[in-house]
This record gives sequence, C-alpha cells and structure tokens, in this order.
Amino acid sequence: DAGVTQSPTHLIKTRGQQVTLRCSPKSGHDTVSWYQQALGQGPQFIFQYYEEEERQRGNFPDRFSGHQFPNYSSELNVNALLLGDSALYLCASSGLETGAGDEKLFFGSGTQLSVL
Amino acid sequence: RKEVEQDPGPFNVPEGATVAFNCTYSNSASQSFFWYRQDCRKEPKLLMSVYSSGNEDGRFTAQLNRASQYISLLIRDSKLSDSATYLCVVNRDSGNTPLVFGKGTRLSVIA
Repeated sequence: DAGVTQSPTHLIKTRGQQVTLRCSPKSGHDTVSWYQQALGQGPQFIFQYYEEEERQRGNFPDRFSGHQFPNYSSELNVNALLLGDSALYLCASSGLETGAGDEKLFFGSGTQLSVL
Repeated sequence: RKEVEQDPGPFNVPEGATVAFNCTYSNSASQSFFWYRQDCRKEPKLLMSVYSSGNEDGRFTAQLNRASQYISLLIRDSKLSDSATYLCVVNRDSGNTPLVFGKGTRLSVIA
C-alpha cells in the first residue's frame, strides 16, 4: 500500500520564477492538504482539496494556488517566488480510518524548495 | 495568542528518564487533538491521538484537559530513538477544519 508520494524531493529556483509541486495521496484517501514548513517552525496550512475543489484555505497569498485531479492527486503552484518561500512543502492526505472516528493526516516526505 | 503553543525546548534528557511536553490551544471549539513526531529533515508522523479520557500507548501517555485547553504528552523510560521534535496538533475549530501545528519541542535523549 503506497503512502503519500511527492515530487520532486528538492528544487532550486530563483526569485520571480514559478514552481509546481506534485502529490499523490495514500490509497483510499480523497482529501489532500498542503503545508509549508519553514526552518524551525511547525507546518503552516496552505489549503485543502476535496472533490477537485479548494475546500479551505490558510493565510497565504494568491500566488499560492492548487489543483486536484479526478484520481485525487494534487499540485501546488507558486508564482513570483520570493526568498521567503524557501521551505519544506508537505502534502498530507486524509480519509476516515475505519473505526477511528476522526481524520488523521498522513504526510509525504516533502519537497525542499530553495529560492535564491 | 497563538492558536497552539508548546514548550520552547529543547529538552536534553538521559536514557531512562521521564519527560513531559505541554501544549495549550486557543479555540475552545477545537475537537481533535494529536501528537505528531518529526525526525530531522523528515515528514511529521502521527504518534497518537489525544482523547478526553486520556490514552496510553506503551511508554507514551497523552492527556487532554478541555477546561484548561491544555494537552500533555508523557514519555517514560526514554530511549535514544525517542530523539525527535514533538508537534502538538489541534483542529482549528469544530467539525472538518484544518489541523494547526505548534512550533514543536525538540527532544534529545542522551546515552
């Protein structure tokens, strides 16, 4: 059973460029959330996708956008990159675990983005 | 006030010690509570959910005090392999709302 997979693992961009990060959720999960984790901080919620729609959004500018495909995989796009966008970008999938009664997040190993 | 606040750490403890992490959350409507563990440069992994009645998983015990909006994690008989950052996680509000992460508390268990 494949877990959450993300690509690429590392990426180096320059200011002003655009980047696309990809995520495939855990088998059986239909909801994908994206988080940004700066060095020394906890993950910060960017947005969540369910049924190909952005369901919830955190406090991130419109430069951050996303998409979910019919197979539940997702992309995160960041335009006009700033130095401050350098971080670990984590994708997490979720779905009700049988008998658990609450949703738990399962994370991919992340994409380390460096903006120079 | 931050949505989720944790002990700043780091905690450096010898093997075999008992260590406790504390966490407070700001929204009394929050209903889901978790502890995640994150190893250096790795993704967070669910350690355990936290229930009002308290719950235990081997050497790990989690407790929730809704009146005080306080969550704790106790690790008994610390192992070297317990060295990691422990993240307190709460859902933002009632219902299906995003999970909010604390900044994390770094634990180093020393031989």
